[in-house]
Amino acid sequence: KQEVTQIPAALSVPEGENLVLNCSFTDSAIYNLQWFRQDPGKGLTSLLLIQSSQREQTSGRLNASLDKSSGRSTLYIAASQPGDSATYLCAVRVSNAGGTSYGKLTFGQGTILTVHP
Amino acid sequence: SQTIHQWPATLVQPVGSPLSLECTVEGTSNPNLYWYRQAAGRGLQLLFYSVGIGQISSEVPQNLSASRPQDRQFILSSKKLLLSDSGFYLCAWKSRDVLNSPLHFGNGTRLTVT
Repeated sequence: KQEVTQIPAALSVPEGENLVLNCSFTDSAIYNLQWFRQDPGKGLTSLLLIQSSQREQTSGRLNASLDKSSGRSTLYIAASQPGDSATYLCAVRVSNAGGTSYGKLTFGQGTILTVHP
Repeated sequence: SQTIHQWPATLVQPVGSPLSLECTVEGTSNPNLYWYRQAAGRGLQLLFYSVGIGQISSEVPQNLSASRPQDRQFILSSKKLLLSDSGFYLCAWKSRDVLNSPLHFGNGTRLTVT
């Protein structure tokens, strides 16, 4: 059974710092990995999706890497801003040769990020 | 562009009362649809998913049921709510036609069972 772990559980940094959020998964047979952002009381916003054949994806100040063989992904946030404060979740889609995973994702517990001015 | 709507945003219901949460998707056709629950300190748990009208798969045994009466409509229901049904319910969709398409979430419904 796939398990996803995110470290740290919470992180507080001053504005302007570069930071790294970590995600690990137990079953390396994944189809893709997705990073989400969740603001308090809101739904999840998709940030980046990395396919299993890719090593990284970038969007603005965000960069996500994937090392499938070691079961790890990192989300790098450059020059953090108070508006980046949110919970960040990673989720993996398990690979299924028969194509019957139906896009189901297994989520980590999230990292609560606070960027203070 | 595609959008997903969930309502209501918040709901307070007594134990034993029925429940109906609705989710609709616009701007796409033939999506896969999902209901997740997020309980405090427990992360997101997949409850149901659907790959087509009338096709529902349950991931965990529970007091809830789901239905998909139309291609872009997904409903979560209960005949009698339990205290343990309290939580944040999220509807999501992904394209079935686009390889490696991301999952998109609605804004969620905060359900409190009293």
